[in-house]
Amino acid sequence: GAGVSQSPRYKVAKRGQDVALRCDPISGHVSLFWYQQALGQGPEFLTYFQNEAQLDKSGLPSDRFFAERPEGSVSTLKIQRTQQEDSAVYLCASSRDRLRNEKLFFGSGTQLSVL
Amino acid sequence: GESVGLHLPTLSVQEGDNSIINCAYSNSASDYFIWYKQESGKGPQFIIDIRSNMDKRQGQRVTVLLNKTVKHLSLQIAATQPGDSAVYFCAEKRFQGAQKLVFGQGTRLTINP
Repeated sequence: GAGVSQSPRYKVAKRGQDVALRCDPISGHVSLFWYQQALGQGPEFLTYFQNEAQLDKSGLPSDRFFAERPEGSVSTLKIQRTQQEDSAVYLCASSRDRLRNEKLFFGSGTQLSVL
Repeated sequence: GESVGLHLPTLSVQEGDNSIINCAYSNSASDYFIWYKQESGKGPQFIIDIRSNMDKRQGQRVTVLLNKTVKHLSLQIAATQPGDSAVYFCAEKRFQGAQKLVFGQGTRLTINP
């Protein structure tokens, strides 16, 4: 069965460049999360969607970060004017139902390197 | 600061021995806890979870223990195998109805042959 799919797997950007990271959640999963994982650290919450509604974006570090899920399935995390401190692995996760199944299923992530 | 943390950043055990990975949390209102395993270059993989109304839960070769009195969570892995080598994270939901998981820093488990 298909899991959470993220692309690209690796992204190298020059400082100041805009990037877009894609997440395909497990089919039928209502909830979608983005996390940022710095080297040697645990994942840090960025934002959460329930279907197409972005219900929590409290973890987005600045207004350069923007996420969307317009049709309640695929999501895109966009980072504008990238900075070196944005270098990290960006993980996407989905869950079936916010009430009955709280396990998050993670993708393999996009490793972003800003030079 | 992070309230979900681990006592030991690294743990080395002999193959076949049992492993115990510990985790402390500070929020007494946290009602759901989960352990993830993360291998190099991969996303976190679900191992086992437990709700705050339970003290113990067992899976295949893994057991999670929750001590709410001292706000302590542990993951026990029986008969450790080379494939168990990874970084293990505990995570919590800090209140009933919370959606996001708050992760600890992680413990790297190394299996010696």
